Amino acid sequence: TQTVSQSDAHVTVFEGDSVELRCNYSYGGSIYLSWYIQHHGRGLQFLLKYYSGNPVVQGVNGFEAEFSKSDSSFHLRKASVHWSDSAVYFCAGDSGGSNAKLTFGKGTKLSVKS
Amino acid sequence: DAGVTQTPRHEVAEKGQTIILKCEPVSGHNDLFWYRQTKIQGLELLSYFRSKSLMEDGGAFKDRFKAEMLNSSFSTLKIQPTEPKDSAVYLCASSLAGGAEQYFGPGTRLTVL
Repeated sequence: TQTVSQSDAHVTVFEGDSVELRCNYSYGGSIYLSWYIQHHGRGLQFLLKYYSGNPVVQGVNGFEAEFSKSDSSFHLRKASVHWSDSAVYFCAGDSGGSNAKLTFGKGTKLSVKS
Repeated sequence: DAGVTQTPRHEVAEKGQTIILKCEPVSGHNDLFWYRQTKIQGLELLSYFRSKSLMEDGGAFKDRFKAEMLNSSFSTLKIQPTEPKDSAVYLCASSLAGGAEQYFGPGTRLTVL
């Protein structure tokens, strides 16, 4: 069974703060992890994906994530958030190859206060 | 460059009705996905097509949910008959190939009374 879990349902920070959104996974074989963002009333948008190699992946708008096999984690980070980063963030995993379906975490709602 | 298009954006149905949701993927994409999104269950896969062939039909959703891909540029999701528990946002996504990033449409918000 493949599972992706996000322990924080809601995170609140101030504009200019750094933020880390947590994601942990449990997979039987190879795993490829992604982060997606969903603004209110919109579809999901891709932020970044880890395939292999360098465990730190750079994404759009200053986001990065670090893959850790030992911790079974793929946390998302941003050094300085903007109010427009307020959204729901989803961590997702797939097993690659011919099976491209994503297993999503429940999402973390990030609220950025000005 | 057109993204994923979904129509209608909102749908209200009476219990027992048949509804059809439509999706146009990004041109040239081979994979197409239908997801259901609710606050309690989160994002659940309903169907997955690769080059118009059904790869997965989401198990628990088989009996009243049927997705079809009539051609590479158009897909439908039929719910028949609808039940109030089907109230959710239905998202369509497409990707170029297995493992590539998925592009999502804006979703259809379905309310079943």
